[in-house]
Amino acid sequence: AQKITQTQPGMFVQEKEAVTLDCTYDTSDQSYGLFWYKQPSSGEMIFLIYQGSYDEQNATEGRYSLNFQKARKSANLVISASQLGDSAMYFCAMREGQKGRRALTFGSGTRLQVQP
Amino acid sequence: DADVTQTPRNRITKTGKRIMLECSQTKGHDRMYWYRQDPGLGLRLIYYSFDVKDINKGEISDGYSVSRQAQAKFSLSLESAIPNQTALYFCATSLTGPTDTQYFGPGTRLTVL
Repeated sequence: AQKITQTQPGMFVQEKEAVTLDCTYDTSDQSYGLFWYKQPSSGEMIFLIYQGSYDEQNATEGRYSLNFQKARKSANLVISASQLGDSAMYFCAMREGQKGRRALTFGSGTRLQVQP
Repeated sequence: DADVTQTPRNRITKTGKRIMLECSQTKGHDRMYWYRQDPGLGLRLIYYSFDVKDINKGEISDGYSVSRQAQAKFSLSLESAIPNQTALYFCATSLTGPTDTQYFGPGTRLTVL
């Protein structure tokens, strides 16, 4: 089974509108972390936001927020007031709490295109 | 200067050649990782190291080896490159702690002919 599922291969949004990128995850661990990364066309991986499994409040970082629904095992990224520079690939990733394994498992990504 | 650097940034090589990709960091992080990304896919873990003497295989370690020469340096070797190792390779680092957030280098684009 996929550990991280991103069901939207591509998304379009109008500039200045909000957009939600979906991510569902699968783990039996109680302790885990969820991350979102942005990959522009230049190729680098940029960390955006983190949500811990025990965090009671949704994480926010500027225009980015994470809609964390633990019971549904979803961790959707919300980008408010989209900008042209937000056009990129977005990856959801999970770090599980198993002892000795704290690397990341990535989803296949969502390509977001912001239209003027 | 970038906190995580990778050399070379681009490399074209031939089947059967030995290739080394290098990663250096100035973030003071103890943990380092190597991932590969194939077109249209997410990243997959090759090897990871929690400190200089602790190196672990990831999900796709076959055909690769690593060396952690110092806390700040982590090298990935392809002993005998093959075409399906053509990919974008990323080094990442993290600091042991509650979030263990990984920060990535700029990537090395490797083409094996």
